Amino acid sequence: SQKIEQNSEALNIQEGKTATLTCNYTNYSPAYLQWYRQDPGRGPVFLLLIRENEKEKRKERLKVTFDTTLKQSLFHITASQPADSATYLCRRGRALTFGSGTRLQVQP
Amino acid sequence: EPEVTQTPSHQVTQMGQEVILRCVPISNHLYFYWYRQILGQKVEFLVSFYNNEISEKSEIFDDQFSVERPDGSNFTLKIRSTKLEDSAMYFCASSEALGGPLVQYFGPGTRLTVT
Repeated sequence: SQKIEQNSEALNIQEGKTATLTCNYTNYSPAYLQWYRQDPGRGPVFLLLIRENEKEKRKERLKVTFDTTLKQSLFHITASQPADSATYLCRRGRALTFGSGTRLQVQP
Repeated sequence: EPEVTQTPSHQVTQMGQEVILRCVPISNHLYFYWYRQILGQKVEFLVSFYNNEISEKSEIFDDQFSVERPDGSNFTLKIRSTKLEDSAMYFCASSEALGGPLVQYFGPGTRLTVT
């Protein structure tokens, strides 16, 4: 069966740097991957979706890549700000469950 | 911009009591969901609902839980006899269609405290 994993539980970076979060999957490629953001005490917020045949998707300071050779999606936040601190969740496009995500902390 | 709303924002109840959590999904969405998040843990799927029936449910969603769409706008989660371990944030979500990518829009949540 397919499994989606986010490598890190937590990531700490300095303000202004690029944050890179990793989502790996096993077996077959999902048709698409989604990224969500969750702030403490709030519901997940959809950020970006990338399809299997897309290499890259951008939205403002966010960029997602999908590498079917490496079986990996990378989520980048450029020029990171303390307000970007949150938990970021990836999941395959039609899944109903979430993993634990990666908790990003941007230090001022 | 349309959004999912939930009421109440915080509900305190005694163990053994029944609670009903309410949600108003985005108006043109057809699929509705309930999730819960125990403090410090990940978001857990409870149930999905489409066309007035449950389409999928998790192991957590046992006989003490039920969902209903009592009218054209509300979607409710009932917990029949609350237990201490039901204390959590409960999130409602909706999505437009199941035929393509499942993009879900979440409400702000109801914090349920069982004493």
